[in-house]
Amino acid sequence: QVQLVQSGAEVKKPGSSVTVSCKASGGTFSNYAVNWVRQAPGQGLEWMGGINPIFGTTNFAQRFQGRVTVTADESTSTAYMDLSSLRSEDTAVYYCAKSAFVCSVTSCQSFNWFDLWGQGTLVTVSS
Amino acid sequence: DIVMTQSPDSLAVSLGERATITCKSSQSVLNSSNNKNYLAWYQQKPGQPPKLLIYWASTRESGVPDRFRGSGSETDFTLTISSLQAEDVALYYCQQYYIPEWTFGQGTKVEIK
Repeated sequence: QVQLVQSGAEVKKPGSSVTVSCKASGGTFSNYAVNWVRQAPGQGLEWMGGINPIFGTTNFAQRFQGRVTVTADESTSTAYMDLSSLRSEDTAVYYCAKSAFVCSVTSCQSFNWFDLWGQGTLVTVSS
Repeated sequence: DIVMTQSPDSLAVSLGERATITCKSSQSVLNSSNNKNYLAWYQQKPGQPPKLLIYWASTRESGVPDRFRGSGSETDFTLTISSLQAEDVALYYCQQYYIPEWTFGQGTKVEIK
């Protein structure tokens, strides 16, 4: 059974960058798209972006364009999310989440409901 | 972007009673090519990541109790908990996965009355 295990909590200064990792334990990312979703304190869920290792493609929410980078290392089954130019409003729990991968008799396809989540990583941005 | 709006923001229901949450999308999430609604529901308990409950608007994820039922089409969707249990106290979110950016509703908090 695949589990997503994220790196530990981070405290960062405004203007700096943070990297959060997400390792697939008990499986691989080979067939799965991996997404990053954040949740500010007391707030809802916000999709930031994702990567599809099958095609090597990424897509991002408009508001994070240019500030977020998502990569995946298939050899270690680990995905990474880098967020730069941090500000206090970036204080949040960051989750990785796997897109569903559905196979029929004839083909398989990725769909972007999130059927497996990491435990979350708290990133605190404070001077 | 497709805007997802849930109502109510919170509700309190007696144990064993029905809880109903609605989710409206700013445009249809029905794909006419496969006749599927690209709508999912999640449950989030305090201190935990979200858990997938339902996808394709009405298909329960494996292991989800059958008291959870999703319904609706195009722009109007409902999550119904037919008989509220104590362990159902949580935040519930809808999410569209039809058009990127994938967007969530603001969440509905379900409590015991």
